[in-house]
Amino acid sequence: NAGVMQNPRHLVRRRGQEARLRCSPMKGHSHVYWYRQLPEEGLKFMVYLQKENIIDESGMPKERFSAEFPKEGPSILRIQQVVRGDSAAYFCASSPFAENYGYTFGSGTRLTVV
Amino acid sequence: AQSVTQLDSQVPVFEEAPVELRCNYSSSVSVYLFWYVQYPNQGLQLLLKYLSGSTLVKGINGFEAEFNKSQTSFHLRKPSVHISDTAEYFCAVSLTPTGANNLFFGTGTRLTVIP
Repeated sequence: NAGVMQNPRHLVRRRGQEARLRCSPMKGHSHVYWYRQLPEEGLKFMVYLQKENIIDESGMPKERFSAEFPKEGPSILRIQQVVRGDSAAYFCASSPFAENYGYTFGSGTRLTVV
Repeated sequence: AQSVTQLDSQVPVFEEAPVELRCNYSSSVSVYLFWYVQYPNQGLQLLLKYLSGSTLVKGINGFEAEFNKSQTSFHLRKPSVHISDTAEYFCAVSLTPTGANNLFFGTGTRLTVIP
């Protein structure tokens, strides 16, 4: 049973390009959470999704960022027109239900904007 | 609003020595506390958690933490570390027992165990 799979592990984008980060939750997990870790900071919650629904996007920047978790396929975090300040590690976690923090995290995608 | 402070960004320690990783939080209400560990090239995994009850919490791999309400601390300890404990450790706090949208992380402490 594979864990949470995130790809790519490393992503380099030029300013103005789009970045797509993918997260495949563990089998049977229908809850997905995205976190961002900026340099020298702790992980910060971005968005919480269940299949086909955004439950909480209170941590997501209002512009350029979007997330989806379709009925089939991985969850996608999309960043349009990336800027240098988007450079960070993006982590995804999944759980079978809203549990008390035994989430399974992926290894993260490290985005570098040049 | 709640916040978490991990004062030590890096902690080197010799193998078989004891270690303490410090975590302080600020909150005006009751909180739930967690420690996560991230081994190299892996995702975060839950090490231990305090939700209620005994203030001394035991986790995986011989780690334990003590919730001290008066000092608003939740320090992580291990009496004898191994090379395999080399990792990044994150303290986190929440106002609710569930819901990742309420989980606030510290900046992490990198533990390096020296042979």
